[in-house]
Amino acid sequence: GAVVSQHPSWVICKSGTSVKIECRSLDFQATTMFWYRQFPKQSLMLMATSNEGSKATYEQGVEKDKFLINHASLTLSTLTVTSAHPEDSSFYICSAGAKSPSYEQYFGPGTRLTVT
Amino acid sequence: LAKTTQPISMDSYEGQEVNITCSHNNIATNDYITWYQQFPSQGPRFIIQGYKTKVTNEVASLFIPADRKSSTLSLPRVSLSDTAVYYCLVGLDTGRRALTFGSGTRLQVQP
Repeated sequence: GAVVSQHPSWVICKSGTSVKIECRSLDFQATTMFWYRQFPKQSLMLMATSNEGSKATYEQGVEKDKFLINHASLTLSTLTVTSAHPEDSSFYICSAGAKSPSYEQYFGPGTRLTVT
Repeated sequence: LAKTTQPISMDSYEGQEVNITCSHNNIATNDYITWYQQFPSQGPRFIIQGYKTKVTNEVASLFIPADRKSSTLSLPRVSLSDTAVYYCLVGLDTGRRALTFGSGTRLQVQP
């Protein structure tokens, strides 16, 4: 099946700094990728939809100036958490569909962010 | 996407068959039913998808009654490695749309 990778798999940063998380589709092109956030013992919550070559679409309550998304190519989307705070500590997961029509969405392994 | 309701948790023992039922009363005519599995600190993984009746693959079976208002994921002879959270999702073209995850069912398999 199609593979989605994320880098880094975990990161620890200090409060006030910025962190970039990469999401790559390794063997397929993805015009659209999705970013989810998951807090411990909770379900995945959609943060934003990343569209290649255009602005991301953010879900209600997600600050677009804090969570910067760039989908510069058909295989790479990045999520930058700016001015991170401890409450941003979470598990960030990206995903993409491989083909159209598609029934299976491929998820990355996730990135554990800890802000101290 | 249609709202789904699943049990919060289930317990089982190795070697048993586990059936997880999901309710989706407002499923639309063209919606498919998809199940994902998630291990701790990993992204979800596709298990199975179906539209009606029964679908079987190498890891699970999916039973869907005629009214399609519910579905049952069946895991035969579970092992400790099947301990995970299982999510039921309902919708169209779910591979390319943002997914709305419910609370999922946390399955704990005991030795």
